[in-house]
Amino acid sequence: GDSVTQMEGPVTLSEEAFLTINCTYTATGYPSLFWYVQYPGEGLQLLLKATKADDKGSNKGFEATYRKETTSFHLEKGSVQVSDSAVYFCALNTGGFKTIFGAGTRLFVKA
Amino acid sequence: GAGVSQTPSNKVTEKGKYVELRCDPISGHTALYWYRQSLGQGPEFLIYFQGTGAADDSGLPNDRFFAVRPEGSVSTLKIQRTERGDSAVYLCASSATGATNTGELFFGEGSRLTVL
Repeated sequence: GDSVTQMEGPVTLSEEAFLTINCTYTATGYPSLFWYVQYPGEGLQLLLKATKADDKGSNKGFEATYRKETTSFHLEKGSVQVSDSAVYFCALNTGGFKTIFGAGTRLFVKA
Repeated sequence: GAGVSQTPSNKVTEKGKYVELRCDPISGHTALYWYRQSLGQGPEFLIYFQGTGAADDSGLPNDRFFAVRPEGSVSTLKIQRTERGDSAVYLCASSATGATNTGELFFGEGSRLTVL
């Protein structure tokens, strides 16, 4: 079945460091791919998305490129801030009702 | 507020008791979803409503779990004869349509259920 695998956390970085959170997927068909973020005490919210191969989603300085050949959707940010500390979830949807989520990666950013 | 609202935010109950969790979606959103998030895991799909009907309930783990959405807005997730393994955060999400392959899910903050 469809699934999402993302790197285990926690990831701890200093402010202004470069961030990569790896995400790979297995899916039938051509899924849309998403990154959701959960800040402390808040609900999950959409960070960015890409709906077809080679699309790049971007928001708040974060980027992810839909790579069909490697079935990946890695999240990157050039310079993280303390306020980016959160749990990040990679997810996919193949056009049905279910969005499939990865296990989440917790990010800690130190000042 | 204008977001998805879930109550209660925390529920502690004893094994064998009955529990109801409520979700009030964003006004006008026809699609409503329930997910369950266990510790250290991502959200796991339980059930999807389009309007008043459950279009897909394949994620409900067993017949102790049931959900309704009688007027196409507020939904209630009902758990009978709770077990310790039911302890998790229950998330509700809504979207403008059911086309979540291109659309966005809007999540509530969740209801944390602890079964003692």
